[in-house]
Amino acid sequence: DAKTTQPTSMDCAEGRAANLPCNHSTISGNEYVYWYRQIHSQGPQYIIHGLKNNETNEMASLIITEDRKSSTLILPHATLRDTAVYYCIVRATGTASKLTFGTGTRLQVTL
Amino acid sequence: SAVISQKPSRDICQRGTSLTIQCQVDSQVTMMFWYRQQPGQSLTLIATANQGSEATYESGFVIDKFPISRPNLTFSTLTVSNMSPEDSSIYLCSVSGGQETQYFGPGTRLLVL
Repeated sequence: DAKTTQPTSMDCAEGRAANLPCNHSTISGNEYVYWYRQIHSQGPQYIIHGLKNNETNEMASLIITEDRKSSTLILPHATLRDTAVYYCIVRATGTASKLTFGTGTRLQVTL
Repeated sequence: SAVISQKPSRDICQRGTSLTIQCQVDSQVTMMFWYRQQPGQSLTLIATANQGSEATYESGFVIDKFPISRPNLTFSTLTVSNMSPEDSSIYLCSVSGGQETQYFGPGTRLLVL
């Protein structure tokens, strides 16, 4: 699986959009971009994933560049409960393909 | 999404003993996985629990230390054997879900003294 690079930490004011970048310059054509988050003392929570088109769900939006070498997770209106470590993972198709977690971005949402 | 429970939620154990962690899912799933998260670290995959066959272990993890059972499509156990303080971690179960996602349990927090 391709590796990802994320900033170690970010801050965001409550109510503002949180934009979390991820670089995955060695991504292969059959690899999806996944985003998970881990709120303190909980198991990771699935957020969103995509292949090459932008995706949106009730939690977030995922913007993938045309060359697929980077992506951005957008939380449109961050709240204090969004404070967590956010993991960007690239993974090949097929449910047998494991998730390889990097160090992630620690997002701190502040008042 | 699947609802996953783990037992125990936390435990304090003495070195040299073993602990078995249970993972129960509310629906049948194809794949179940076990992860370890050491203090302050990210998650590391221990093994894939295969129903009806031996688990598939990742590099650095062996069956003698982390025996796994998967008797059916909704249940799996992970045993941490002959524990040492270095085994103090959060152990997480995850399952394959729809759209090629994985869902995680709440984790088992283990402290070995």
